[in-house]
Amino acid sequence: DAKTTQPNSMESNEEEPVHLPCNHSTISGTDYIHWYRQLPSQGPEYVIHGLTSNVNNRMASLAIAEDRKSSTLILHRATLRDAAVYYCILREPSQGGSEKLVFGKGTKLTVNP
Amino acid sequence: DGGITQSPKYLFRKEGQNVTLSCEQNLNHDAMYWYRQDPGQGLRLIYYSQIVNDFQKGDIAEGYSVSREKKESFPLTVTSAQKNPTAFYLCASSLVWEKMNTEAFFGQGTRLTVV
Repeated sequence: DAKTTQPNSMESNEEEPVHLPCNHSTISGTDYIHWYRQLPSQGPEYVIHGLTSNVNNRMASLAIAEDRKSSTLILHRATLRDAAVYYCILREPSQGGSEKLVFGKGTKLTVNP
Repeated sequence: DGGITQSPKYLFRKEGQNVTLSCEQNLNHDAMYWYRQDPGQGLRLIYYSQIVNDFQKGDIAEGYSVSREKKESFPLTVTSAQKNPTAFYLCASSLVWEKMNTEAFFGQGTRLTVV
C-alpha cells in the first residue's frame, strides 16, 4: 500500500498561514494526493486533491513537489474553525481493480487565538 | 439533499450481542467504505465495496461482516467475535477511481458502546 507520513501535531496562531507537510515517497505515477480534515466527533470532510500541479480552492492550496514525493497543504489564514485533524492520503487502486481508501493518523492542528 | 447517512448516532449493546450499523447514500456512488476510529487514533479500514454484491476485507475485518445488496446501502454488522467493539464507526462513499478522481463523502458516524 502506498503510505503517507505526517507530523503528529502542529500549532498555529489565528490569522497566520499554516503549512501542513506530507511525505509520500512511494507514490506511483497515477496516485492522486487527497487531503481531508476531521473536526471532533464528526466524519472527515474533503479539503483538496491534486496529481502533479499545485491546486487552489476556497478552503486551501496544495503544493506538490516536482518529484511528487511530498506535498504541503496551505491554509492561508488560519481560523479557530480550522482546528482539526488533517489527513493526507493517496488514492490507489488495489489488486482486482477494487480501490482502497487508506488513512493514516493525520496531523492534529491546534490554532491559538 | 444528496448525502450519506449513518444511523443511529449513538448505540449501546450488551457484550456478546451482534449489532448492525446502517449506512445509506443517495449520491449514486459506486464505492462504499467502513472505518473504525478509536480515541486519538486515525481511521482504520474494515471493509470496502466497489460494486453491488461484491466487497473486500480491509485491514481489520475480523469480527465484522457486511453486505451490499443495493447500491445505496452498505450495512456493517459487529459480531460477538469482535474482541473490542467499542469505537466510533464511519461510513464513506465515492465514485470509483477509474471513473473520476473525486472526493469521498463521509457520514457523521455511529458511536458504539458495548457494556
